[in-house]
Amino acid sequence: QITLKESGPTLVKPTQTLTLTCNFSGFSLNTGGVAVGWIRQPPGKALEWLALIYWDADKRYSPSLKSRLTITKDTSKNQVVLTMTNMDPVDTATYYCAHKAESGYAYFDYWGQGTPVTVSS
Amino acid sequence: QSALTQPASVSGSPGQSITISCTGTSSDVGGYNYVSWYQQHPGKAPKLMIYEVSNRPSGVSNRLSGSKSGNTASLTISGLQAEDEADYYCSSYTSSTTYVFGTGTRVTVL
Repeated sequence: QITLKESGPTLVKPTQTLTLTCNFSGFSLNTGGVAVGWIRQPPGKALEWLALIYWDADKRYSPSLKSRLTITKDTSKNQVVLTMTNMDPVDTATYYCAHKAESGYAYFDYWGQGTPVTVSS
Repeated sequence: QSALTQPASVSGSPGQSITISCTGTSSDVGGYNYVSWYQQHPGKAPKLMIYEVSNRPSGVSNRLSGSKSGNTASLTISGLQAEDEADYYCSSYTSSTTYVFGTGTRVTVL
């Protein structure tokens, strides 16, 4: 049974750096093709894909946010961490992590419950 | 990369069929059979409903079907039911080896 759960601060100040952790179980990030991604959703708005890290540590970022994002993994802890620098009120959103299945598959089949982040002074 | 374009809202009466479109470019929707669809109820996480254009995960109703023509993918819900009322998002793999989501469609059951 695959589960993911996001954690991190609910409130950050403008210009600060946000660090979010995705703790997962039921799969290994050592399995070929498997990846974990981050997606966010501002209140009342659409989903936005942010970043993805593969089992081999290959990383992909949203072109519009690439300069502000870093995604890393700790396979021993079954964790994926996303950092976003220079936070702004427009970054207020619910942040989700999600599992991408093995090679040849390009969809997110399991999602965490999401963690809300508000950017305000 | 720009978000895929979806209609803001679609509505139908119980029992009717509705179709949601998802328009991209040859660099995403049109270039790959890697279009997926997600259903999201208020306050909940998205749920995978269709993957690889037209495949349904185990447990998803066969009233949902997906297709694609050129740069536009479509999700059809037949026999509309009250439980289908939700937001729906398409997503595609892109030529930049990234992912992109659609603008989202609110489905209302009249």
